[in-house]
Amino acid sequence: EAQVTQNPRYLITVTGKKLTVTCSQNMNHEYMSWYRQDPGLGLRQIYYSMNVEVTDKGDVPEGYKVSRKEKRNFPLILESPSPNQTSLYFCASSLAGQLNSPLHFGNGTRLTVT
Amino acid sequence: GENVEQHPSTLSVQEGDSAVIKCTYSDSASNYFPWYKQELGKGPQLIIDIRSNVGEKKDQRIAVTLNKTAKHFSLHITETQPEDSAVYFCAAVPQGAQKLVFGQGTRLTINP
Repeated sequence: EAQVTQNPRYLITVTGKKLTVTCSQNMNHEYMSWYRQDPGLGLRQIYYSMNVEVTDKGDVPEGYKVSRKEKRNFPLILESPSPNQTSLYFCASSLAGQLNSPLHFGNGTRLTVT
Repeated sequence: GENVEQHPSTLSVQEGDSAVIKCTYSDSASNYFPWYKQELGKGPQLIIDIRSNVGEKKDQRIAVTLNKTAKHFSLHITETQPEDSAVYFCAAVPQGAQKLVFGQGTRLTINP
């Protein structure tokens, strides 16, 4: 089954403790992206990647890092999480970088930073 | 940059009635406008999209209209059913950009 898989689904952590949210897609998509969803704000892009070893900042990149060493994986790294990073995170992938092909989303990771 | 405004934030309709959700965008160069449906505990899923060279597109009970002059686009759901209850997001893709700019979302509730 074609899908985007995120792990974990739920994560509670404390301020300053490094964490990684994994994302993997099995559709051989070139484009991958991370969004965060907050009430009243919709979804906002954190980082995106057009292909292996090619990453770029989205609208809200502060406090996040990403890497794209393999085509299928695009982990999101929070080096020193803070409470304002409490949010619902979505990984997404698309066949083409011009985004005129559908964006496929994972089921989300709900992160709480205390 | 692009800004997308979505209204209403919540919408409640009787089963069988129609529902309309409206979005406006600011960047006249935006050229792709998808709509996503998000069910509880799941990620958004594309339900319909429209490109800037088309004024209307329909897929069974769902239709989207685009008015480029006014810079707004709308989602129309006819003959609503309980399974249509979800959060709906509109989005726009600015020309040359590598991201979707989302509206704030509309929580649609279908009352039996």
